[in-house]
Amino acid sequence: DIQMTQSPSSVSASVGDRVTITCRASQGISSWLAWYQQKPGKAPKLLIYAASSLQSGVPSRFSGSGSGTDFTLTISSLQPEDFATYYCQQANSFPALTFGGGTKVEIK
Amino acid sequence: EVQLVESGGGLVQPGGSLRLSCAASGFTFSSYWMSWVRQAPGKGLEWVANIKQDGSEKYYVDSVKGRFTISRDNAKNSLYLQMNSLRAEDTAVYYCARGRLFPMDWGQGTLVTVSS
Repeated sequence: DIQMTQSPSSVSASVGDRVTITCRASQGISSWLAWYQQKPGKAPKLLIYAASSLQSGVPSRFSGSGSGTDFTLTISSLQPEDFATYYCQQANSFPALTFGGGTKVEIK
Repeated sequence: EVQLVESGGGLVQPGGSLRLSCAASGFTFSSYWMSWVRQAPGKGLEWVANIKQDGSEKYYVDSVKGRFTISRDNAKNSLYLQMNSLRAEDTAVYYCARGRLFPMDWGQGTLVTVSS
């Protein structure tokens, strides 16, 4: 089974900061990776798919990069509405899908 | 507008059964793989099961194999999850989601609590 490890588990940041979250796969997954945002009590929202493709309607301050085993989600200038938990998800082993443990972005 | 509305959650005793439903609208339901994903209280996301457009292929996470059954009724635009032999560790919010590799739309979730 492919394991997905996110770091850090939480990060404190201020509005306007650049925030980077990392996701590492236990084996190579090519570009079969997505990023989701989840706010408390709400469903996850797809932000990035295929490692670097921006989902329609998602602000351009969100970007994704990486391939193989190491991936990054970057928020170029953190906005108040971006405080949430972020999850990566691999699809290389489809139909089995695996999520990372999550990274909580908190207000500094 | 895509809408996915889950129902059927509730409190059930260990060993009991529950059937979740997901009513879909705003897209051609029969054209999409569908999934169930769950989230235990305060925990991360866990894929549970998915089903091909015509229902011919179904897949499950190991922890629910033999206990849960995913199904769909394309005429009713509905997705289902039959859950049997429920355990405390099945307690979670269950989401239905649309999409094959990267689920793009999710319902609001329904809470399943397994407790005596």
